[in-house]
Amino acid sequence: QSALSQPASVSGSPGQSITISCSGTSSDVGSYTLVSWYQQHPGKAPKVMIYEVTKRPSGVSNRFSGSKSGNTASLTISGLQAEDEADYYCCSYAGGSTLNYVFGTGTKVTVL
Amino acid sequence: QITLKESGPTLVKPTQTLTLTCTFSGFSLSTSAVSVGWIRQPPGKALEWLALIYGDNIERYSPSLKTRLTITKDTSKNQVVMTMTNLDPVDTATYYCAHRQDLPHAFDFWGQGTMVTVSS
Repeated sequence: QSALSQPASVSGSPGQSITISCSGTSSDVGSYTLVSWYQQHPGKAPKVMIYEVTKRPSGVSNRFSGSKSGNTASLTISGLQAEDEADYYCCSYAGGSTLNYVFGTGTKVTVL
Repeated sequence: QITLKESGPTLVKPTQTLTLTCTFSGFSLSTSAVSVGWIRQPPGKALEWLALIYGDNIERYSPSLKTRLTITKDTSKNQVVMTMTNLDPVDTATYYCAHRQDLPHAFDFWGQGTMVTVSS
């Protein structure tokens, strides 16, 4: 089971929108609507920002949105703010014979 | 309010066995809809899912680490224990436990993490 592929870094200016991709396979992202996204600030535990591809937990800003097409999921942050600077990880359920989970390689978001 | 906290040794020697305990509160690990997982993160690197145990005692493991991992639960103590055998320096990481449920399907509550260093 290989990690999901994410760009190492994405940057944007305050107020702009950025999109982070998460590329998987037909065994994980492509087969299930069970993709979640996590934000992690330095030295902190991850925090779920999106679950089940498009849903936002209570308390998460509506500037965060998720989508999926085929084997690739995406996280979009609109109206970029300084506090959004963090690492972001996608995660997908991967059923099949092992019924496990797989995380992405992580993306560092920099607010210019 | 759901909380989780990891505990265990901070330093382990190569080839030894690591035992980590996740003590939780605010939920019951007694149904198939609820589970607790372990995720690790080597310094400066990505998250890696390790194992999961459901309330009905079903266990799931990362295929690459399956032979080295065991996850168990003690419902009466509200604890989940993970053991990893034959430690190597590459296992140096922060180890997190996290709550997962079917709705929402996500690791929605995380412990603070515990740093484990493997070194002689």
